[in-house]
Amino acid sequence: SAVISQKPSRDICQRGTSLTIQCQVDSQVTMMFWYRQQPGQSLTLIATANQGSEATYESGFVIDKFPISRPNLTFSTLTVSNMSPEDSSIYLCSVVGLAAIKQENEQFFGPGTRLTVL
Amino acid sequence: KQEVTQIPAALSVPEGENLVLNCSFTDSAIYNLQWFRQDPGKGLTSLLLIQSSQREQTSGRLNASLDKSSGRSTLYIAASQPGDSATYLCAANNAGNMLTFGGGTRLMVKP
Repeated sequence: SAVISQKPSRDICQRGTSLTIQCQVDSQVTMMFWYRQQPGQSLTLIATANQGSEATYESGFVIDKFPISRPNLTFSTLTVSNMSPEDSSIYLCSVVGLAAIKQENEQFFGPGTRLTVL
Repeated sequence: KQEVTQIPAALSVPEGENLVLNCSFTDSAIYNLQWFRQDPGKGLTSLLLIQSSQREQTSGRLNASLDKSSGRSTLYIAASQPGDSATYLCAANNAGNMLTFGGGTRLMVKP
């Protein structure tokens, strides 16, 4: 499988500030996604990051709060805006469509970014 | 809307035991179902992917089965080891590769 990296791996932020999380893949992929994992919970899909166009958001998530970019086939960013303590979560990017993978719809995840908002 | 449930939520077994983790889903119109492992504070590791046309997949000591008609999948772990201790997540893919996750089973294998 490909190497998927996220930066930062963790951060502690103040209420009202914003944080941008980067996701980098070492090979081109078809699709990229962003998920949130709140403390003690499972994963919830935030949005699909579309290359060269606006992201597609799931119910309950909006662009003003979670702006997403995907300028090319290997990189995406998620910004958590105007943060509150309720945003404290692990944020994970995932990818589908790695050329080297036999099952093209197998999904792979980055290591996650652990965000704490004070 | 797809809903995925995993039972049990937590499981503790002695080393060497064979065990079964259960996953159920409400919408049987899935493209595939994927099992993941998550270690504390880490991301997800893909274990097995079962396409909708398949009945099971095997990788080493792991075997996953899929019964679409009944909305169920099981992950069988043979001869469990302490290194298998982790949270196991199943996820259903209904459309567009957007996954719906279950709540996970937290497994502890005691030496």
